[in-house]
Amino acid sequence: DTGVSQDPRHKITKRGQNVTFRCDPISEHNRLYWYRQTLGQGPEFLTYFQNEAQLEKSRLLSDRFSAERPKGSFSTLEIQRTEQGDSAMYLCASSSKTDSGANVLTFGAGSRLTVL
Amino acid sequence: AQKITQTQPGMFVQEKEAVTLDCTYDTSDPSYGLFWYKQPSSGEMIFLIYQGSYDQQNATEGRYSLNFQKARKSANLVISASQLGDSAMYFCAMSVDYNNNDMRFGAGTRLTVKP
Repeated sequence: DTGVSQDPRHKITKRGQNVTFRCDPISEHNRLYWYRQTLGQGPEFLTYFQNEAQLEKSRLLSDRFSAERPKGSFSTLEIQRTEQGDSAMYLCASSSKTDSGANVLTFGAGSRLTVL
Repeated sequence: AQKITQTQPGMFVQEKEAVTLDCTYDTSDPSYGLFWYKQPSSGEMIFLIYQGSYDQQNATEGRYSLNFQKARKSANLVISASQLGDSAMYFCAMSVDYNNNDMRFGAGTRLTVKP
């Protein structure tokens, strides 16, 4: 297993277009997270899945954003009618528990979105 | 509400010296976890170290140690014997949910190691 994979790594799109990002988590991890990171800021939580169930969504996740994890493995994050304010790095993470009991997130390299 | 504060936008350290990156947090929940992540220019967030709020001893992982001062609500990261490869953004994070469903990150500190 090579870790959390995200695709595409970079996406440039015009305002109003739809974009979709894919995340393949570490295979034995049942929890999957999406975060958004803008320049100079820390990651902001968007949503969380346990297996195929989406258990939590941030208020940051407007109705133009939708995430799915249909079979409890890979996940997609779709942004409809993109706006320039959507330009950011979209980070996916999956998690496992360490020996200390901490639920440690393993992040992918991110998908950078630029909306023109 | 939870809040994480990193007051140092940038730090410089000489190679082989130690450096401390500051992190303060605010929560009314007695049970929480504190994390430090490193983000090199490649963009991937790398987990460094974890401290649970009930842990009696400060966490250590190789050259990383976490100076946990519960009464002051601080969780500073100490990197000993800095290496050029330590140059990166460092983020402090906290979760009050045992399952880390809502981990909050600070704004980060950019560390530059000078040769």
